Amino acid sequence: AQSVAQPEDQVNVAEGNPLTVKCTYSVSGNPYLFWYVQYPNRGLQFLLKYITGDNLVKGSYGFEAEFNKSQTSFHLKKPSALVSDSALYFCAVRPPGGATNKLIFGTGTLLAVQP
Amino acid sequence: ETGVTQTPRHLVMGMTNKKSLKCEQHLGHNAMYWYKQSAKKPLELMFVYSLEERVENNSVPSRFSPECPNSSHLFLHLHTLQPEDSALYLCASSQDTGTYEQYFGPGTRLTVT
Repeated sequence: AQSVAQPEDQVNVAEGNPLTVKCTYSVSGNPYLFWYVQYPNRGLQFLLKYITGDNLVKGSYGFEAEFNKSQTSFHLKKPSALVSDSALYFCAVRPPGGATNKLIFGTGTLLAVQP
Repeated sequence: ETGVTQTPRHLVMGMTNKKSLKCEQHLGHNAMYWYKQSAKKPLELMFVYSLEERVENNSVPSRFSPECPNSSHLFLHLHTLQPEDSALYLCASSQDTGTYEQYFGPGTRLTVT
């Protein structure tokens, strides 16, 4: 079955330190990959996506993600965390093909950045 | 804000009530979506509309009835819901149903008593 795994329910990091939020997927073919962020009482906001090309994708608010086909991973990274980055982060995969833009989401990782 | 609005933001309803959730997108997009978000579970895609035509119904019970009168508006009509239907219902839109990112509204927090 197609799935997305975010192995960490929560990631804690000190402000100014680098952060990584992990995502792995199980999808046949070459999927399209997305990261979204959700702040309290808000909808999801698009951060970045990988469709094809360079494995390192840069997105909003200084975030980037690296696509690793051999490890079927798409980890989210930021060189220096801010307290304002504290939020719930979702990885999502769009399997190739299909007529609809159907996304498969992970369960989310809560990022807590301590001042 | 993302250009996708949802009303109401909070809704409490009994199991015998009928209510509707409304979504409006101001982005000129052609595709709209309904998702259900429950705690500790992945977002569940419920319905997909493309150019006002339903293109995906993800095995959703008939007590949820979507309506898309035009490409800017999407409704979710609710009737005889169950307590387990309590969740955050998110609306999203995208340019079309290709590989475009989806833009989400703030959601409606639904509580079924």
